[in-house]
Formats: sequence, structure tokens, C-alpha cells
Amino acid sequence: EIVMTQSPATLSVSPGESATLSCRASQSIGKKLAWYQLQPGQSPRLLIHGAITRATGIPARFSGSGSGTEFTLSISSLQSEDFAVYYCQQYNNWPPWTFGQGTKVEVK
Amino acid sequence: QVQLVESGGGVVQPGKSLRLSCAASGVTFTYSAVHWVRQAPGEGLEWVAVISFDGSITYYADSVKGRFTISRDNSKNTLFLQMSSLRPEDTAIYYCATAPPRDDPYFDNWGQGTLVTVSS
Repeated sequence: EIVMTQSPATLSVSPGESATLSCRASQSIGKKLAWYQLQPGQSPRLLIHGAITRATGIPARFSGSGSGTEFTLSISSLQSEDFAVYYCQQYNNWPPWTFGQGTKVEVK
Repeated sequence: QVQLVESGGGVVQPGKSLRLSCAASGVTFTYSAVHWVRQAPGEGLEWVAVISFDGSITYYADSVKGRFTISRDNSKNTLFLQMSSLRPEDTAIYYCATAPPRDDPYFDNWGQGTLVTVSS
């Protein structure tokens, strides 16, 4: 099973600033990585797949990078609706599909 | 775009059973593999089970293998999760999620979730 590790657990950011979230895989997964946003009481939302491809309707301030074992989600100019928990997920070796433990982006 | 609506959650005693449903609208449901994913209180996302587009292939997380059964009825655009021998650690919000047809198996559409509480 591939273990996904996210850092930091919590990121405190002021609105309008940028945020950088990290995700590491326990073995190489190529670019088979997705990022999801989860807000309380809402459905999880796909942000990025293929490590770098924004999903339909996702604003350009969200960008993904990386390959192999190291990945990054960058959010520029944070808006109020961006304060949420973000999960990375690998889909290279399955089953199981595995998620990181999440990074909470909170208002500083 | 597929719309997904889960139902069937509730409070159940340990050792009992519960069946969740996920109703889908949108033409791609019948061509999509569909997953169940859960989130326990204060925890992260955990993949639970998947079923292929035609129902012929299923996989389960080790934590639920032998206790949960995933199935689908494409004539009714509905996904099911039959949960038996429930444990307190099965308490979670359960989401259904589709994978895009003929593409990599990430999760492109999610429902709003249904809460299952296992408690005596």
C-alpha cells in the first residue's frame, strides 16, 4: 500500500496571500495524483488530477506540480472560500486508493 | 456531469446492518466505476470500496472486507453499500464518488454524504 504524507497539518494564511501545500508518496506514483478540497458540510471537490491538470471550473489560482514522490498544491491570492481542508490522493497503485491525512488552511 | 445523492445513514447498534444508497443523475453514471469513501469524525478521507461500471469487479478496503458489499443497479442509476457486523469505528460520513469513464481512476464527482453512527 502506498502511504501519502501531507505537510503541514495546518497552514495559517491571511486572505490575499499565497499558500503552498506538500504531499509525499512512499513510492513513485508518476503523475497519478489528485488534490481535493473539503469544506464542512459540503461535498469534496476535485481540484487537480494528473498532478498538474485543473479540473473543470477550478480557478487558475489553484496549481499543482510535481511527479514521482513529491507534489505541491499552490494557491495564490487566497479567497474566503479557499479556507478548507485539502487532501492529496494517489491512483497509481490500487487497490487501495490512498489519501494523505489532509492539510487545513485556516485564516491567520 | 453526474449528480450524486446518498441516503440511508442513521444510528445503528454495533453488530447490526445498514444499507446505504447513492442515486445518480447524468448519463455517464452507467459508464463509470463508482466508489464509497468515508470520513470518520475528526479524521481524513478513507477509501472503502469500488465497483466497476458493469458491476463485474469489486474491491474493498481491508478494514471492511467480508463485512461490506458494494453493488449497483444501472437500470435505476443507483449504487448501494450493504454494511453488516457494524463496529463503532465504522462511524463516519459516507460519500459516493464516480471515476471518469475511460480515464484515470481519480474521483471527479462526489455526493454530499450520509452520516452513519454506530453506537449502543
